[in-house]
Amino acid sequence: DVKVTQSSRYLVKRTGEKVFLECVQDMDHENMFWYRQDPGLGLRLIYFSYDVKMKEKGDIPEGYSVSREKKERFSLILESASTNQTSMYLCASRGQGGDYGYTFGSGTRLTVV
Amino acid sequence: GENVEQHPSTLSVQEGDSAVIKCTYSDSASNYFPWYKQELGKRPQLIIDIRSNVGEKKDQRIAVTLNKTAKHFSLHITETQPEDSAVYFCAARADYKLSFGAGTTVTVRA
Repeated sequence: DVKVTQSSRYLVKRTGEKVFLECVQDMDHENMFWYRQDPGLGLRLIYFSYDVKMKEKGDIPEGYSVSREKKERFSLILESASTNQTSMYLCASRGQGGDYGYTFGSGTRLTVV
Repeated sequence: GENVEQHPSTLSVQEGDSAVIKCTYSDSASNYFPWYKQELGKRPQLIIDIRSNVGEKKDQRIAVTLNKTAKHFSLHITETQPEDSAVYFCAARADYKLSFGAGTTVTVRA
């Protein structure tokens, strides 16, 4: 099974801090994604990457950036955390070709105080 | 971009009854439609998917139907059991990315 590992399950950060959320997958997948999940809003795409050093904005990129220096690792960066970024963050990966399904990580519950 | 709407937002069914969740999408280029189940405190898990060249797909007690003309697709769960209680998300894929519906919280009453 593909494993997608997010480094932290819970994080508490202060307003204005720079926050790094890390995601690692072990199946050589080209595509990786960051979503945030909020009640009643479903999963909203923040950024995605279809290959190393490539990145594309999703639907809600404001206040976030990403880094993909290695194929297996996709990092989400909150440049200056704000309380409205308190949320569950989910990373996902997907291989090319016939298998279109995403595999999700366990999520990081971020609280900004 | 793609916009996916999902209804209802909550669904309560008696054990053994059927549950139906409906989704609509906006981008006619979308060609892949997965459904995810998320149990409390866990990650979303793919339960069934359908591609745009197929009208219906079944896997044991779950089935998905797709109407490309109307741009809607549905999840059907028959003979519901307590372990079917979860949040279900539909999604539609265009290009590389999936766009998700807001989710349906399904509660199966014993």
